[in-house]
Amino acid sequence: EPEVTQTPSHQVTQMGQEVILRCVPISNHLYFYWYRQILGQKVEFLVSFYNNEISEKSEIFDDQFSVERPDGSNFTLKIRSTKLEDSAMYFCASTTLLSSQGKNQPQHFGDGTRLSIL
Amino acid sequence: ELKVEQNPLFLSMQEGKNYTIYCNYSTTSDRLYWYRQDPGKSLESLFVLLSNGAVKQEGRLMASLDTKARLSTLHITAAVHDLSATYFCAVDTRDDKIIFGKGTRLHILP
Repeated sequence: EPEVTQTPSHQVTQMGQEVILRCVPISNHLYFYWYRQILGQKVEFLVSFYNNEISEKSEIFDDQFSVERPDGSNFTLKIRSTKLEDSAMYFCASTTLLSSQGKNQPQHFGDGTRLSIL
Repeated sequence: ELKVEQNPLFLSMQEGKNYTIYCNYSTTSDRLYWYRQDPGKSLESLFVLLSNGAVKQEGRLMASLDTKARLSTLHITAAVHDLSATYFCAVDTRDDKIIFGKGTRLHILP
């Protein structure tokens, strides 16, 4: 069964550095998402992406964050000038259709990247 | 702003017992999801509920949706240890955000 793959599985970075988290969504999916989960807490929506642009973003997704689909397969999350509170598990997800088009497919999640800021 | 509340947040139960997890949400939604997460793992999709009165069952788990009450339930029948995990409900807003509840940590005792 096709999977969403994320790399790296664990990233350790000094505070203030930039990180790029990478995701390869399922190949026929058109809609992509990033979420984060601080240890032991709930999953928080960051951003949704469709047709090479951001569809929706949360209050968490400020100027420190950016997303890009640099080629036909990768979907990246860049975090500039990382802070201690950015330490979390970051999940990428993809799906085939937008809610406004009556989708009945769930989002497929990758295994996540554990980001540790020192 | 859409709020999604799950209860209970923690549940410890004996094998063989039945129990229900509740998910309330504050505004109109087109669909509701239930996910399972094992410790240190990703999210596994369990159910997608699309309309009022929807009921879906998979093994010992059954999910239902009442859009008028803005309530979904996840019912566990004759629990087994393998069902120990954290269960999240998530609500899909009409502007393409997915808002998660805090999760219910379920521990099933042998």
